[in-house]
Amino acid sequence: SQTIHQWPATLVQPVGSPLSLECTVEGTSNPNLYWYRQAAGRGLQLLFYSVGIGQISSEVPQNLSASRPQDRQFILSSKKLLLSDSGFYLCAGGGGLDYGYTFGSGTRLTVV
Amino acid sequence: AQKITQTQPGMFVQEKEAVTLDCTYDTSDPSYGLFWYKQPSSGEMIFLIYQGSYDQQNATEGRYSLNFQKARKSANLVISASQLGDSAMYFCAMRNNTGGFKTIFGAGTRLFVKA
Repeated sequence: SQTIHQWPATLVQPVGSPLSLECTVEGTSNPNLYWYRQAAGRGLQLLFYSVGIGQISSEVPQNLSASRPQDRQFILSSKKLLLSDSGFYLCAGGGGLDYGYTFGSGTRLTVV
Repeated sequence: AQKITQTQPGMFVQEKEAVTLDCTYDTSDPSYGLFWYKQPSSGEMIFLIYQGSYDQQNATEGRYSLNFQKARKSANLVISASQLGDSAMYFCAMRNNTGGFKTIFGAGTRLFVKA
């Protein structure tokens, strides 16, 4: 079965600082991978998805970028964080045609 | 455009009773999947149940069942015999079956189970 590893669990960063969140996958090869952001008390917003190494699709124009340097590694980055980048970031792996995603445990980012 | 609507921000249910969480969706794609996820206060997202757009029968997984009414574009989650541990946020979601299998989520319903 698929396991998504995500770290750190919490992060407090000053405005204007860089960001790098890493997500790694265990138990499957060539998964579809997704980055979501969840504002407090809200639903999940899809930020990026990747169907393979080096293949990134952006869903929402913003201050963030994503990369997939290896099959089981998906990275979310920013060169300069904004206050509006605060939120709960979740990495997910595709679960197949008749199964849901597997999610990582999430990173709670607070930009101060 | 695809859309998921959950109109119940919060719901209360007595322990051991059944509860229905509402979800409607909109899509022009003939092939899609519908999902329910549970998010406890810890923040993790847990997949509960799946219904395919071509499935004739409603999906069931233990105490969870999905009441799929395709013509009405609704996919309500029914939780039978509620337990205190069912208290959480519940999200309805829809995935298109092309172009990356992206999933969109509704705003969620917070369920409170009373002892």
